[in-house]
Amino acid sequence: TQLLEQSPQFLSIQEGENLTVYCNSSSVFSSLQWYRQEPGEGPVLLVTVVTGGEVKKLKRLTFQFGDARKDSSLHITAAQPGDTGLYLCAGGTNDYKLSFGAGTTVTVRA
Amino acid sequence: NAGVTQTPKFQVLKTGQSMTLQCAQDMNHNSMYWYRQDPGMGLRLIYYSASEGTTDKGEVPNGYNVSRLNKREFSLRLESAAPSQTSVYFCASSLLGQETQYFGPGTRLLVL
Repeated sequence: TQLLEQSPQFLSIQEGENLTVYCNSSSVFSSLQWYRQEPGEGPVLLVTVVTGGEVKKLKRLTFQFGDARKDSSLHITAAQPGDTGLYLCAGGTNDYKLSFGAGTTVTVRA
Repeated sequence: NAGVTQTPKFQVLKTGQSMTLQCAQDMNHNSMYWYRQDPGMGLRLIYYSASEGTTDKGEVPNGYNVSRLNKREFSLRLESAAPSQTSVYFCASSLLGQETQYFGPGTRLLVL
């Protein structure tokens, strides 16, 4: 059973369009992390959010942690082909472990 | 720095064979993890080691054993491989108390 539900599972958009990926749970997390994974490689951390309502921006990527610390979203503005990859959210529970969502595969067409 | 390294990168086994996947990190991290990744299921925790000298089961430990050899190295052993263990295996590490994990490049395992 996946503690974290990601939606959509797949997303294909044209270069220059915007996209949003959602990560939802009925559980409260101490932190929420977003990773990006490219084919044949391991996940690479994009951001960690720890405070309910927190918003972090990394260039064209905006991450939001829900007020109740149960959900998060990732918004990409003016997507580029280099944004293509598998986006994974992961929730921390203060017990050394992370719970991962199943991931959203994003394809940005040139 | 190499970060987290894993060997081998690819492996093909026959049902019933055994093998050990190796993982090492050079970041002086206390905690280490083994995950498997299957299509549509994300990353599932097999075993973890919160600190040197301790290991604990994760979500899917059956069919696997681990050894925390020292602070740097954490190995995963399949004693009798089964086709259901065909997967991509990732090792990760983190500082004690920190929830950010750093991943290796993965080992792709096919069990025939």
